Amino acid sequence: QKEVEQNSGPLSVPEGAIASLNCTYSDRGSQSFFWYRQYSGKSPELIMSIYSNGDKEDGRFTAQLNKASQYVSLLIRDSQPSDSATYLCAVNAYSNSGGSNYKLTFGKGTLLTVNP
Amino acid sequence: DGGITQSPKYLFRKEGQNVTLSCEQNLNHDAMYWYRQDPGQGLRLIYYSQIVNDFQKGDIAEGYSVSREKKESFPLTVTSAQKNPTAFYLCASSISGDTRQETQYFGPGTRLLVL
Repeated sequence: QKEVEQNSGPLSVPEGAIASLNCTYSDRGSQSFFWYRQYSGKSPELIMSIYSNGDKEDGRFTAQLNKASQYVSLLIRDSQPSDSATYLCAVNAYSNSGGSNYKLTFGKGTLLTVNP
Repeated sequence: DGGITQSPKYLFRKEGQNVTLSCEQNLNHDAMYWYRQDPGQGLRLIYYSQIVNDFQKGDIAEGYSVSREKKESFPLTVTSAQKNPTAFYLCASSISGDTRQETQYFGPGTRLLVL
């Protein structure tokens, strides 16, 4: 069973601080990694995707991937109250169970609260 | 205005009743997916489809059925065999479903409640 684990949270940071969200995955064959943001009562929206080891930056967001350690993280700089949401880590891995070759497995999410 | 629409936003089911959730996309995506989300839980895959008239079971298909008669539409039926249907149901789509870097995009969701 392929698993994706996230720090359970909730995580609370003051406005302007750096929020660090972590995710580990069990399948060494995993090839692509996604961070989704989900506001309460809403559907997930894509924040970042990362496919290669290292860092990928997009505005205030940085995704970090370390395939050797099977670890992916999301850093949010200058956190704003509008960043308060649940962040879902999703991992895409090859599956030979029929149909689609790639399956997306989600973690349970980390609730982030940014305090003004 | 491209995107994924789901209806209704809220749905109430009585005991022993089948209900159908609608999902439509105009992104010209081949692959479509249904997920279920329970409070404090990640998304779990119910069914997916990569082509018209073909679909595959996900991790929790029991008590659900789907059809894919048109590329744009992928309705989900929650049957009376699903004993714990209360959840947030999310429909997603992606370009083809068979490339490693493919992103899935989500509709707004349907919240199903049991009366």
